[in-house]
Amino acid sequence: DTGVSQDPRHKITKRGQNVTFRCDPISEHNRLYWYRQTLGQGPEFLTYFQNEAQLEKSRLLSDRFSAERPKGSFSTLEIQRTEQGDSAMYLCASSLDSYNEQFFGPGTRLTVL
Amino acid sequence: GQNIDQPTEMTATEGAIVQINCTYQTSGFNGLFWYQQHAGEAPTFLSYNVLDGLEEKGRFSSFLSRSKGYSYLLLKELQMKDSASYLCAALLYNQGGKLIFGQGTELSVKP
Repeated sequence: DTGVSQDPRHKITKRGQNVTFRCDPISEHNRLYWYRQTLGQGPEFLTYFQNEAQLEKSRLLSDRFSAERPKGSFSTLEIQRTEQGDSAMYLCASSLDSYNEQFFGPGTRLTVL
Repeated sequence: GQNIDQPTEMTATEGAIVQINCTYQTSGFNGLFWYQQHAGEAPTFLSYNVLDGLEEKGRFSSFLSRSKGYSYLLLKELQMKDSASYLCAALLYNQGGKLIFGQGTELSVKP
């Protein structure tokens, strides 16, 4: 399968814990995007990478959030000191460049108790 | 600011035609995507319009008018499996190609 993959698919954690999600994009794609989606809403942009460079972070991304793409391949999104408001579906997408279709992964559903 | 509007929900009958509208106000607009999303799943690509006009792909067609900031998705010969959320998204070329999504239109197809 050459699609975008994400791990884990589901994560339940207690408030205050740290969590880390992984995204593996389609191999030849330079662009990688993270979005967050809550129930009944469309995805909201969080951040994106061009190869290993993180080029933009949304104001939605507080200091508790950090993302990396160390070798320009897979990416990780870490949330420190989780809060109940962080509960959402975290989607990763990749594309060849900024003008092409973004392919989405299956998402990681985070529940913070 | 950036704004994408689409109806929250629609209902249609199996075999019928439905049109889902989307209006947008953005800066750096490059094109308009439509994605389909079933409950609990990731969005899947349906269409991408860059130029004005109608693009047809089987039972699905999408239209764009850049001057009016307007797009629609047309679904023909509706099937029960078309029940899903349909997301309209503007691609912003001056912001790294990020997508700005509408809230999604929840389509229910009834027998």
